[in-house]
Amino acid sequence: QQPVQSPQAVILREGEDAVINCSSSKALYSVHWYRQKHGEAPVFLMILLKGGEQKGHEKISASFNEKKQQSSLYLTASQLSYSGTYFCGIDSGSARQLTFGSGTQLTVLP
Amino acid sequence: DTAVSQTPKYLVTQMGNDKSIKCEQNLGHDTMYWYKQDSKKFLKIMFSYNNKELIINETVPNRFSPKSPDKAHLNLHINSLELGDSAVYFCASSQEAGVSEQYFGPGTRLTVT
Repeated sequence: QQPVQSPQAVILREGEDAVINCSSSKALYSVHWYRQKHGEAPVFLMILLKGGEQKGHEKISASFNEKKQQSSLYLTASQLSYSGTYFCGIDSGSARQLTFGSGTQLTVLP
Repeated sequence: DTAVSQTPKYLVTQMGNDKSIKCEQNLGHDTMYWYKQDSKKFLKIMFSYNNKELIINETVPNRFSPKSPDKAHLNLHINSLELGDSAVYFCASSQEAGVSEQYFGPGTRLTVT
């Protein structure tokens, strides 16, 4: 079942912060975050694993609440280059495949 | 060097035709994937392939079949193309399924007329 992302879209000014949320109705083994710019392929940002391990870029932070089956991506001091669509992908642990949310479109204005 | 490559980048064909999309990764990864991204940007897993184990998303029609000649390649063959197959198809790879980052290819935009 597809995870639910919120908000669907957000517009920021450079330097502002944003939070993107991802929630699932299934127990999560891992949560992945990707960013996709228009006309390009998705690019990896972060993985959060059950048990607390995280792998990702230094300038990106995220949280993973296993009990609530939720994850949040934190974008601080946003830059123009942060614009794009952010996807969370969840792995419930059985097939080891990712089911992606519908995406959050982030626009950073100068 | 391109990590994950796909050919062709664009594919325009008529309903009923059979077509293939090729994917190659030079990362030495063990798992490869095919995704479909529709016009609403919904990114949906179609297949994953790891050490000759194929996991098929149950919603994928059997007109779609992945073929892996070796660990570095996972091609997608589509029979009897339909209008609804029009989408961007992404190939991806990762070291380990589920717990490693996935590297996506540039995508193949398929248009069925």
